[in-house]
Amino acid sequence: KAGVTQTPRYLIKTRGQQVTLSCSPISGHRSVSWYQQTPGQGLQFLFEYFSETQRNKGNFPGRFSGRQFSNSRSEMNVSTLELGDSALYLCASSHPDRDTEAFFGQGTRLTVV
Amino acid sequence: GNSVTQMEGPVTLSEEAFLTINCTYTATGYPSLFWYVQYPGEGLQLLLKATKADDKGSNKGFEATYRKETTSFHLEKGSVQVSDSAVYFCALSDRGGSSASKIIFGSGTRLSIRP
Repeated sequence: KAGVTQTPRYLIKTRGQQVTLSCSPISGHRSVSWYQQTPGQGLQFLFEYFSETQRNKGNFPGRFSGRQFSNSRSEMNVSTLELGDSALYLCASSHPDRDTEAFFGQGTRLTVV
Repeated sequence: GNSVTQMEGPVTLSEEAFLTINCTYTATGYPSLFWYVQYPGEGLQLLLKATKADDKGSNKGFEATYRKETTSFHLEKGSVQVSDSAVYFCALSDRGGSSASKIIFGSGTRLSIRP
């Protein structure tokens, strides 16, 4: 069974640009969550999508947005990139009928220069 | 709000030593508790979990017991190996009233094992 797949693995962007990251969950998982990991702030929850609807959101500015498609694949977008957005972005998927155990992808390493 | 506090690192041990990484939590309700491990350059892997009080999660020689009375979920291993070197995160699930869920993580503990 394939795990959570995130693309791309590495990305370098310039301040002010926008970026889109992609996440394909484990087959059958309909919940997808996104997390930002930085050395200073640790792991912080961005948002969760379930059946194409955002049902939980962390404390991030509106520049961070996401969406989920009918096949449960999810994308997150960051507009007007700032240097502080440099981080490892992790996606996690979970099964709707089981515990809240989440399975993580390998992450996308975003560097803003 | 809900939170997780785990012992500061880094922790350096010799191979075959006993490991304890302390973790305490603050939560309303009855969260599930997890330990995740992150190897260099990788995402997070679930190491073990416990879903109710007095449950013991175990995997790969690691154990942790859900202690509601002390709000703790300490990670232990009797004999560590060099391959256990990684960053360990204690976490809890924060399930909202709408069944939405998010995971709240501790700050992570970097573990290094000397041969």
